[in-house]
Amino acid sequence: GDSVTQMEGPVTLSEEAFLTINCTYTATGYPSLFWYVQYPGEGLQLLLKATKADDKGSNKGFEATYRKETTSFHLEKGSVQVSDSAVYFCALGGQRGGNKLTFGTGTQLKVEL
Amino acid sequence: NAGVTQTPKFRVLKTGQSMTLLCAQDMNHEYMYWYRQDPGMGLRLIHYSVGEGTTAKGEVPDGYNVSRLKKQNFLLGLESAAPSQTSVYFCASYTGLAGVKIGELFFGEGSRLTVL
Repeated sequence: GDSVTQMEGPVTLSEEAFLTINCTYTATGYPSLFWYVQYPGEGLQLLLKATKADDKGSNKGFEATYRKETTSFHLEKGSVQVSDSAVYFCALGGQRGGNKLTFGTGTQLKVEL
Repeated sequence: NAGVTQTPKFRVLKTGQSMTLLCAQDMNHEYMYWYRQDPGMGLRLIHYSVGEGTTAKGEVPDGYNVSRLKKQNFLLGLESAAPSQTSVYFCASYTGLAGVKIGELFFGEGSRLTVL
């Protein structure tokens, strides 16, 4: 079945550092790929998405490119801020009945001054 | 806008007790979902619904029942709670319109359940 593998956290960075969170996936067909973010005490929010190979999703300075050849969707940001501290989830799906998503285990990011 | 609202936010149960979590959405969404979030396991789908009066099993449905009697509400029931059901439960909704914003789920703030 479908699955998503994310790098384990927590990831601790200094403010203005470069961020990469790795995500690889296994799926049949051509799923859409997503990054969701969960701030402390809140539910998940969609951060960005890509619906086909070579698409780049971007939002709030974050980017991720749908790489079919490497089955990856790595999240990047050039300069992180303390306010980016959260848990980031990679997910795939949306292609079959029910629009069900399969989530990775999440990566906690801590940004320090 | 309220979006997706879950009640209660916190609950402590004893093994064998029953309870119901309520999810309400005010966006006229067709699809609704219940996920559980556990450390190191991410989010796992319990049950979902693609419209009023319909329900379907997700990845981890055992020990839970659901009902979608009204479009805006999706109830998650635990008939006989077990410690393994200690978790944070999230409800989510999706518009369901064909081809519209695939995968863009709206989540509630979560309900933390502890079973002793």
